[in-house]
Amino acid sequence: KAGVTQTPRYLIKTRGQQVTLSCSPISGHRSVSWYQQTPGQGLQFLFEYFSETQRNKGNFPGRFSGRQFSNSRSEMNVSTLELGDSALYLCASSLWAGGLPQHFGDGTRLSIL
Amino acid sequence: GESVGLHLPTLSVQEGDNSIINCAYSNSASDYFIWYKQESGKGPQFIIDIRSNMDKRQGQRVTVLLNKTVKHLSLQIAATQPGDSAVYFCAERYDFGNEKLTFGTGTRLTIIP
Repeated sequence: KAGVTQTPRYLIKTRGQQVTLSCSPISGHRSVSWYQQTPGQGLQFLFEYFSETQRNKGNFPGRFSGRQFSNSRSEMNVSTLELGDSALYLCASSLWAGGLPQHFGDGTRLSIL
Repeated sequence: GESVGLHLPTLSVQEGDNSIINCAYSNSASDYFIWYKQESGKGPQFIIDIRSNMDKRQGQRVTVLLNKTVKHLSLQIAATQPGDSAVYFCAERYDFGNEKLTFGTGTRLTIIP
C-alpha cells in the first residue's frame, strides 16, 4: 500500500510569489492535515480537510489556504511568499475525520529567496 | 498557551543499550498521545500511541509510559540499533474529535556503535 505522497519534494521561490503543494493520501484515507516544520517553531498545524471541507485551522495568516478534492487529494497554497515561509511542509492522512494516528508524507521543502 | 515539551534535546546511547526519551505535557485534558520518529530527509514515522485511559502500551522493542499525575510521557526503546538514530517527537491531542496534534520540540537520539 503506497504511503502519503507529496509533490514536489523541493521548491525554490522568491518573495512575493505564490506556490501550490500537492498531497495524495494513503488509499482509503479521507482526512488530510497539513503541518509546517521549521527549526525555530517545530511542527505546527496548518489545517485539516475531510470530505472536501476544512474542519480545523491553525494560527496561520490567510495567505495559507488549502482545499481537498473528491478523491481526497489535497493541495495547499501560499500566496505572497515571505522569507519566513521557508520550511518543510508536511501532509498527513488518516482514515476519517478525527482519526488517529496520522501518517505523514516526506514533505515538500520550500525555500524562499 | 498549552505546549508539549521535551526534557532533553539530545541523547546518545550505546548500541544494544536501552534508551528512554521523556516528554512533559501541560494539558491535563489531553486524551491521546503519540510518538513519531523522523529521520533526516523524511517525514515523521508513526511509532506508537496511547490513550489517556491507559498507562502503558508496548510495541515491537518500544514501550510508551503515561503518567497522568505528573503529566509525563516516555518512550523506551529496547536494545537500540543504529537505525534508531533519529529525532523523536511526542505529540498530544486535547480536542477530542479534532485531528490537530500539538508536537513537542523533539529529541535527537544518536546510537553510538
